[in-house]
Amino acid sequence: AQSVTQLDSQVPVFEEAPVELRCNYSSSVSVYLFWYVQYPNQGLQLLLKYLSGSTLVKGINGFEAEFNKSQTSFHLRKPSVHISDTAEYFCAVRNPQGAQKLVFGQGTRLTINP
Amino acid sequence: GAGVSQSPSNKVTEKGKDVELRCDPISGHTALYWYRQSLGQGLEFLIYFQGNSAPDKSGLPSDRFSAERTGGSVSTLTIQRTQQEDSAVYLCASSFNRGTYEQYFGPGTRLTVT
Repeated sequence: AQSVTQLDSQVPVFEEAPVELRCNYSSSVSVYLFWYVQYPNQGLQLLLKYLSGSTLVKGINGFEAEFNKSQTSFHLRKPSVHISDTAEYFCAVRNPQGAQKLVFGQGTRLTINP
Repeated sequence: GAGVSQSPSNKVTEKGKDVELRCDPISGHTALYWYRQSLGQGLEFLIYFQGNSAPDKSGLPSDRFSAERTGGSVSTLTIQRTQQEDSAVYLCASSFNRGTYEQYFGPGTRLTVT
């Protein structure tokens, strides 16, 4: 079974500052890793995914994440945030071979202050 | 193109009533997923349909929950004898066949049981 821990439930930052949202996972097998964003009253939108290959993954809206197998982490970063990045961010894992379901972390609410 | 659509967007029901939630996946997507998002439990997998295969029902929380997918397209999630703990946002997602394909999420149905 897999599990995901997002270490921060809320992260406030100032506009144009860098941000890192932390995600750690637990799994006995290799996994696919995802970050999704949820804007208010909307569904989930995929930001980026790690399937294999390069451990640094670039996504939409200037976000990137780095897969670290030894630390079982997949932290999300952006060098300079905008007010429009205010949203809830979810880290998720999936078993490539078995069940197709996504296992999500509890989410991190990112608030950008002017 | 059209994304995943869900109806109704909001549903208020009295405890003990049955409700039906509908999901229209993206055309051509053979896989369909239901998830539940609640304050206490976060984002949880409920059920997964893939083509004509038997659905993966491992996430359904009780036998009051059921789902069907007609003609490999539209899906209905039914909750019988609703309880207050069923209040949540129910999200539907679809994807192409198995493997690395991304899950696309609908906007969700917000269910409130009074």
